Amino acid sequence: DADVTQTPRNRITKTGKRIMLECSQTKGHDRMYWYRQDPGLGLRLIYYSFDVKDINKGEISDGYSVSRQAQAKFSLSLESAIPNQTALYFCATSDGVSGEQFFGPGTRLTVL
Amino acid sequence: GEDVEQSLFLSVREGDSSVINCTYTDSSSTYLYWYKQEPGAGLQLLTYIFSNMDMKQDQRLTVLLNKKDKHLSLRIADTQTGDSAIYFCAEMDNNNDMRFGAGTRLTVKP
Repeated sequence: DADVTQTPRNRITKTGKRIMLECSQTKGHDRMYWYRQDPGLGLRLIYYSFDVKDINKGEISDGYSVSRQAQAKFSLSLESAIPNQTALYFCATSDGVSGEQFFGPGTRLTVL
Repeated sequence: GEDVEQSLFLSVREGDSSVINCTYTDSSSTYLYWYKQEPGAGLQLLTYIFSNMDMKQDQRLTVLLNKKDKHLSLRIADTQTGDSAIYFCAEMDNNNDMRFGAGTRLTVKP
C-alpha cells in the first residue's frame, strides 16, 4: 500500500467552486506539505505543517487554505477556484531529520 | 529570495552518460537532493549529498558538488530508456526549508 495517498487523483471543476484535496499518510511523519507543480516552474510550496497545531504559509498561499485534521491527514482547500489554479498538486511528508520528502501520486486539478 | 536553477531539457542516446546540472544561491544549504519524477507519479528521492561532501557515487549515479560555485550535478552512466523522467534538484537550508528547481526533462533515445 502507498505510504502517501491523495484523493481525488483528477478533478475538473468550474470557476468559483470550492474544492478540497485530501492527503493521508501512514509513515507516521509529523511534517506534511502541499506543493503545486506547473510546467517550467517546478514545485512551489503552498502550505506546510510541522505538527497538528502548526500551520505555515509557503511561497504561494494566496487563494488556498489548509486543515491538519490529524497527524496523518492534511487537506488543501481552494475556497473559490480560478483557472490559474489549474495545476498538478502534490502532498509530501518528512520526518524532519534527513530532509527527504515522500510524495503522494499527485492530484491533477483543472479549473474551467 | 534564494533560488535553484536547472536547464529544462536534456536528450541523450541510450548507453551514453547523462549529466544534469543545477545551481543554487543559498550559502546555508545543508543537504542537496536529486529527485526523479516518472510520468503520472510523484517525486521519488534518487540520491542526496551532505553539503560538506564533494562527491557521492551510487551504482550508475554520481553526484558532484562544488560548494564554492554552488553547483551540483548528477551523472547517470549507461543511460537507459527507463531513465527517461524529470529530474529535480533541491536544496535544504539550516532552517529546514527546501527549495526545488524547475526540473530537467531527460529524454533517452534508442
